[in-house]
Amino acid sequence: AQSVSQHNHHVILSEAASLELGCNYSYGGTVNLFWYVQYPGQHLQLLLKYFSGDPLVKGIKGFEAEFIKSKFSFNLRKPSVQWSDTAEYFCAVNAQEGSARQLTFGSGTQLTVLP
Amino acid sequence: DGGITQSPKYLFRKEGQNVTLSCEQNLNHDAMYWYRQDPGQGLRLIYYSQIVNDFQKGDIAEGYSVSREKKESFPLTVTSAQKNPTAFYLCASSIDRSYLAKNIQYFGAGTRLSVL
Repeated sequence: AQSVSQHNHHVILSEAASLELGCNYSYGGTVNLFWYVQYPGQHLQLLLKYFSGDPLVKGIKGFEAEFIKSKFSFNLRKPSVQWSDTAEYFCAVNAQEGSARQLTFGSGTQLTVLP
Repeated sequence: DGGITQSPKYLFRKEGQNVTLSCEQNLNHDAMYWYRQDPGQGLRLIYYSQIVNDFQKGDIAEGYSVSREKKESFPLTVTSAQKNPTAFYLCASSIDRSYLAKNIQYFGAGTRLSVL
């Protein structure tokens, strides 16, 4: 079965700082990768996804993530964060074949951006 | 206005009581899911359903039951056998069971369950 690790549980940044949230997964086959975001009081929503092709994917609100297959990583980045980026961020993965096709989530990273 | 509606927003359970959480979607999605969210643990899959009248256990199905009698509805019952039910419960859906692995999941607003 696949698993997902998010090593940063809580990140605190000042506005305009750069952001990188780590995500590592364990699975030997081909995977689809996702970042979801949960703003305070709002639905969990998709930030960006990787299925295949260019390993650098761009999402909403200036976020991007890079899939590095050799490192089993899919880190989320943003060059300059805003106060409105305060939220909880979840990395998720599912396998493209076999029985391990369920979406597996990491434990989440709470991002607090100070004005 | 399309989406996923979960009700109630807050729910309280007494000892030994079964409670049912509602999830309705009008997105015409085939697949539906129930997750439990606990602080520091992310989302864990309880049950999922790829088609009407069929559902599968997820990673933490013990103490829960579901039904899928209609495409639009996937209610979750938290039974008295679930000894630690206090959590935030999220329902999700995705478009097509035949492409389940690539489907983007859309989430409801959640139900927060507490034990009295």
